[in-house]
Amino acid sequence: DAGVTQTPRHEVAEKGQTIILKCEPVSGHNDLFWYRQTKIQGLELLSYFRSKSLMEDGGAFKDRFKAEMLNSSFSTLKIQPTEPKDSAVYLCASSFMDTNERLFFGHGTKLSVL
Amino acid sequence: SQWGEENLQALSIQEGEDVTMNCSYKTYTTVVQWYRQKSGKGPALIILIRSNEREKRSGRLRATLDTSSQSSSLSITGTLATDTAVYFCATEWPNYNVLYFGSGTKLTVEP
Repeated sequence: DAGVTQTPRHEVAEKGQTIILKCEPVSGHNDLFWYRQTKIQGLELLSYFRSKSLMEDGGAFKDRFKAEMLNSSFSTLKIQPTEPKDSAVYLCASSFMDTNERLFFGHGTKLSVL
Repeated sequence: SQWGEENLQALSIQEGEDVTMNCSYKTYTTVVQWYRQKSGKGPALIILIRSNEREKRSGRLRATLDTSSQSSSLSITGTLATDTAVYFCATEWPNYNVLYFGSGTKLTVEP
């Protein structure tokens, strides 16, 4: 399957820990997105990269959230330090530049912060 | 927010029934996309409708778009238990390559 791959599928962290979530986009896609999904807020944009350049950093999530894209086939999302309110599903998605009409999502990482 | 004031809605129906889900958006858009998310999976695009189309069909799916009222609907005819999922509408701000999602409709189709 050449879709978006996210690891790990589940992560449990203690409050104050640093966690790193990983994402491999679809090969050849130029755009990569990180979203956070909760029942109350729905899907919220965290970061958007185009050709590895950060285009949008999600405003309210700047403080403890940092996404990086060191190469075109790998991205990380670091949360430091974690808080219980960060418990959510973190989704990575990719698309081909200028055809953002279709996002391909990974299965997500379910984060639980105790 | 790109979208109107919505909370996650929940619908529960019996297999074979038809269902329609609605959403509205605040700003001009050229495309509305509908995604389906099954339990434990990421959202997946199921139908896309452009501003020059009033209606779009794909199998048992039908999407409408009313740019004057800035609203869109998704209908599923002859639902199956496998249609159980959360359905999101999404739109992109002009000249800004980010999709913003509505809060979604949780659809449960009982066999």
